[in-house]
Amino acid sequence: KQEVTQIPAALSVPEGENLVLNCSFTDSAIYNLQWFRQDPGKGLTSLLLIQSSQREQTSGRLNASLDKSSGRSTLYIAASQPGDSATYLCAVQNNAGNMLTFGGGTRLMVKP
Amino acid sequence: DGGITQSPKYLFRKEGQNVTLSCEQNLNHDAMYWYRQDPGQGLRLIYYSQIVNDFQKGDIAEGYSVSREKKESFPLTVTSAQKNPTAFYLCASSATGVPYNSPLHFGNGTRLTVT
Repeated sequence: KQEVTQIPAALSVPEGENLVLNCSFTDSAIYNLQWFRQDPGKGLTSLLLIQSSQREQTSGRLNASLDKSSGRSTLYIAASQPGDSATYLCAVQNNAGNMLTFGGGTRLMVKP
Repeated sequence: DGGITQSPKYLFRKEGQNVTLSCEQNLNHDAMYWYRQDPGQGLRLIYYSQIVNDFQKGDIAEGYSVSREKKESFPLTVTSAQKNPTAFYLCASSATGVPYNSPLHFGNGTRLTVT
């Protein structure tokens, strides 16, 4: 059974710092990996989707990488801003169907 | 604007009562999903539907039921058989079930409290 882990559970950084969020998964036979952002009391917003054949995806100040063989993905946020404060979740989609397995998320706070 | 609408935003029920959470999408998506989120935990899949009139159990389907009579709608009923129903419920959709590379779109959730 796929398990997805995100460490750390919470992170606080000063504004302007570059930061990396980590996601690891136990079964490397994935179809894709997605990173989501969740604001308090809200639904999830898809940030980036990396297909299993890809190594990375970029959107603005965000860059997500994928290393299937080691079961890891990272989300890099450049020049962090207070508006980046949210919980970031990663999820992997396995080859067996539509199921997404989610990590527990990293709660990010960017201080002004 | 296309999107997913979940209603109500907050729902309070007495123990022993069934309650139905609404999810409507106007994205013309084939697949729809229900997830449950508990504090500090990742999302867990309750039910999903890849096409009208068809749905499959997820990891934690016990105590829940769904229907998919219309493409746009995927209501979730939390029955009295669900032992710990208080949670944040999220509905999602994706353009297709196959192939699998379509991102999920989420509603803003319904927070259910059962006392």
